[in-house]
Amino acid sequence: KNEVEQSPQNLTAQEGEFITINCSYSVGISALHWLQQHPGGGIVSLFMLSSGKKKHGRLIATINIQEKHSSLHITASHPRDSAVYICAVRKGAQKLVFGQGTRLTINP
Amino acid sequence: DSGVTQTPKHLITATGQRVTLRCSPRSGDLSVYWYQQSLDQGLQFLIQYYNGEERAKGNILERFSAQQFPDLHSELNLSSLELGDSALYFCASSVEGAATQYFGPGTRLTVL
Repeated sequence: KNEVEQSPQNLTAQEGEFITINCSYSVGISALHWLQQHPGGGIVSLFMLSSGKKKHGRLIATINIQEKHSSLHITASHPRDSAVYICAVRKGAQKLVFGQGTRLTINP
Repeated sequence: DSGVTQTPKHLITATGQRVTLRCSPRSGDLSVYWYQQSLDQGLQFLIQYYNGEERAKGNILERFSAQQFPDLHSELNLSSLELGDSALYFCASSVEGAATQYFGPGTRLTVL
């Protein structure tokens, strides 16, 4: 079993829908990252969180340390949100362990 | 644009060869990380340097080595290349180990 599990693996939705991507982990962590990988391959760091909730524009990330679970929400989804979303947990000070990614497709 | 640069963008080489991938971190960032993304393994952490010193090691093969130079740029050396080494190699940088990491555009390595 992977230390970091994401669900769903693939998600297709219509423009405007509310999107939720989940991440569960089985190890102790110092922080959790959400990354976005564009179709061209580039990776952008969306959030880094160790507790609670963060919001940036239409994106919201939450984490529950006790339940070892995080969610990434996208409100009013748009075709430009189509990408692979990757959850990564930081073990100790440096090492990141990655989930397998969720491929999101938003249709107009 | 993250401010992290990687060269080359694409690299095609043959099995048994040796290649060097280069990364320049964002201005002011002291930490550099190397990651490998292959189709079957996903993203994996390889190694981290902080201000010239190795700080953490992940799933890096013995055939691979890295270093960070005094000007903070880093190089990842891959030798005795195998078909399975074909992957996207990303470099990322951060101010220090616990901060947000900024990813470079990646180097796509194809081993034929």
